[in-house]
Amino acid sequence: SQQGEEDPQALSIQEGENATMNCSYKTSINNLQWYRQNSGRGLVHLILIRSNEREKHSGRLRVTLDTSKKSSSLLITASRAADTASYFCASGSGNTGKLIFGQGTTLQVKP
Amino acid sequence: NAGVTQTPKFQVLKTGQSMTLQCAQDMNHNSMYWYRQDPGMGLRLIYYSASEGTTDKGEVPNGYNVSRLNKREFSLRLESAAPSQTSVYFCASTGQGSSYNSPLHFGNGTRLTVT
Repeated sequence: SQQGEEDPQALSIQEGENATMNCSYKTSINNLQWYRQNSGRGLVHLILIRSNEREKHSGRLRVTLDTSKKSSSLLITASRAADTASYFCASGSGNTGKLIFGQGTTLQVKP
Repeated sequence: NAGVTQTPKFQVLKTGQSMTLQCAQDMNHNSMYWYRQDPGMGLRLIYYSASEGTTDKGEVPNGYNVSRLNKREFSLRLESAAPSQTSVYFCASTGQGSSYNSPLHFGNGTRLTVT
C-alpha cells in the first residue's frame, strides 16, 4: 500500500504566488524526498530531508518535516509558469532500500 | 550525459504477448529500480536491484521478472502481458547502495498499452 499521501491533489495559482503541498506518511522514516515530474517525462529529484532535520531550503523551495505528525510540506515561493508540473513526496524507511511514493500534487501556475 | 536510458519509449502489446523493457545507466550507480505509474496511484515499486547480482521484489512484482545483466543494465520482462499491466514504466538508479538515503535518477519512461 502507498505510504505517502499528498494534499491537495491539484493546485492552480497565479505566477508570483506561493504554492504549498503537503505529504503524510504512515510509518517511521529515515528521510523524505520531493520530486518533480513534467508532463511526459521522468521524475527529477528536488530535495531530501533527513528524519533528524526539521527544515531545509534549496533556492525557492522550502521543505519542512514534522515526524511527530508524520507529515512534510513543500513550499515553492514566487512561483513561475515553468513550475507547472506534478510534485511527489517519497519516503524511505528501514533498511530495505525501498522508496515509497505518494500520489502526487498537480500544480498549475498561470502566467 | 545520458543518465538513465529506457527503451522502447512506446509499446503496444496484445494480451498474452511477452516483451522486455530495457534500462541502462551510465553513472556507475550500484542500485537500480523499476516502478510503474498509474493515474491516481503514484509510483509503485515492481522490483529493485541493490547491487549487481542481486534482485528483490517490490510492492507489485506479480507478472514481472527482472535481470540485472551487469552494473549498467537492468531489464524488466513481462512473460504474458495482461491489460492490467497497461501503465508507464520508469527505471531509476542511485549510487549509494540503496535508495533510502540518496536521490533517484529516473529515465523518461516506457508507455505500455496492453489490448
